[in-house]
Amino acid sequence: KAGVTQTPRYLIKTRGQQVTLSCSPISGHRSVSWYQQTPGQGLQFLFEYFSETQRNKGNFPGRFSGRQFSNSRSEMNVSTLELGDSALYLCASSLEGGVTDTQYFGPGTRLTVL
Amino acid sequence: GENVEQHPSTLSVQEGDSAVIKCTYSDSASNYFPWYKQELGKRPQLIIDIRSNVGEKKDQRIAVTLNKTAKHFSLHITETQPEDSAVYFCAASKGRRALTFGSGTRLQVQP
Repeated sequence: KAGVTQTPRYLIKTRGQQVTLSCSPISGHRSVSWYQQTPGQGLQFLFEYFSETQRNKGNFPGRFSGRQFSNSRSEMNVSTLELGDSALYLCASSLEGGVTDTQYFGPGTRLTVL
Repeated sequence: GENVEQHPSTLSVQEGDSAVIKCTYSDSASNYFPWYKQELGKRPQLIIDIRSNVGEKKDQRIAVTLNKTAKHFSLHITETQPEDSAVYFCAASKGRRALTFGSGTRLQVQP
């Protein structure tokens, strides 16, 4: 099976712009979670989607949003970019999002905000 | 919410030695504890996990122990090899798939 894929792998944006990142889960996986990884804050949970519904959300401002499509692919959007949004954005997929389902990570999208 | 503390932040061992990384969690309702390995520039990869109804789990050179009473769990790597060099993250979760990660341990195995 193909692993989790993310596009694009690298992005450079300027403050105030918005960005959309995409994640394709492993075939058959219906849960997609998003994480932000920075040197200072480490890995932080953004949100999780299952069957096109957001089931859980971390402590991030409303500028961070996401959605999931009927084929389980997911996108996350960050509006009004700030310098502090520069990070590696990782998505992870799992079968049903059950509490002990293994999460498999994608390679990430490295976002740089100038 | 859940808080996971991880120690040490860096760990250097000689090839063949054992390495131990410790994590504590705050939410007694957490019931799933995975460990991820992240090599430089790569994605985090699950190396082992443990459920709250199990005290210890082993997979070849890797083992994880869980003490629910003390709310801490540990990763043990025996007979370390240079390819074990990476950043290791512990995590905890309960309910719906919101993993709370520790701050990471950079393990360096000296040949």
